[in-house]
Amino acid sequence: DAKTTQPPSMDCAEGRAANLPCNHSTISGNEYVYWYRQIHSQGPQYIIHGLKNNETNEMASLIITEDRKSSTLILPHATLRDTAVYYCIVRANYGGSQGNLIFGKGTKLSVKP
Amino acid sequence: NAGVTQTPKFQVLKTGQSMTLQCAQDMNHEYMSWYRQDPGMGLRLIHYSVGAGITDQGEVPNGYNVSRSTTEDFPLRLLSAAPSQTSVYFCASRQREGRSEQYFGPGTRLTVT
Repeated sequence: DAKTTQPPSMDCAEGRAANLPCNHSTISGNEYVYWYRQIHSQGPQYIIHGLKNNETNEMASLIITEDRKSSTLILPHATLRDTAVYYCIVRANYGGSQGNLIFGKGTKLSVKP
Repeated sequence: NAGVTQTPKFQVLKTGQSMTLQCAQDMNHEYMSWYRQDPGMGLRLIHYSVGAGITDQGEVPNGYNVSRSTTEDFPLRLLSAAPSQTSVYFCASRQREGRSEQYFGPGTRLTVT
């Protein structure tokens, strides 16, 4: 699986957009970009995923560069409840070991009042 | 649907004791997995299963056994607990194939003294 690189921490003001970057320069053509988050002491929660087109759902937007070597997760109006560790993961959509999630250390996002 | 459930929530063991962490899901997901998370670290894959009767090792399998006799249940066994196994354990499930997100349980906090 491709390795991902994320900043260890970021701050964001409440109500502002939070833009979380992720580098995945060795991503393969069949690998998707997934974002999960983990609020303190809870199990990780799926946010969004994409292959090459930008994606949006009720939680966030995902912007993937044209060369697919990096992406940005956007929380449009961050709230205090969005304070969490955010993980960027790339994986192929196959079963077996190729479908495993490999978590790095993620980015700790702190949303401040 | 209850999603992914784990029991117990907390457990303290003495070195050398054995125990089983329980995990169940009611979403008819074929793929289930166990992760451990140590302080300040991301999640590391212990074992996974792509269907009933099929299991395989992840990144850190030593000291743990698993079995998958039904689609719903995926217990994790510690045969002889060691202090190095003090961690938070998360169980997860997803559809085996396709672009599906992974659902995580609430975790089991295990301390081995």
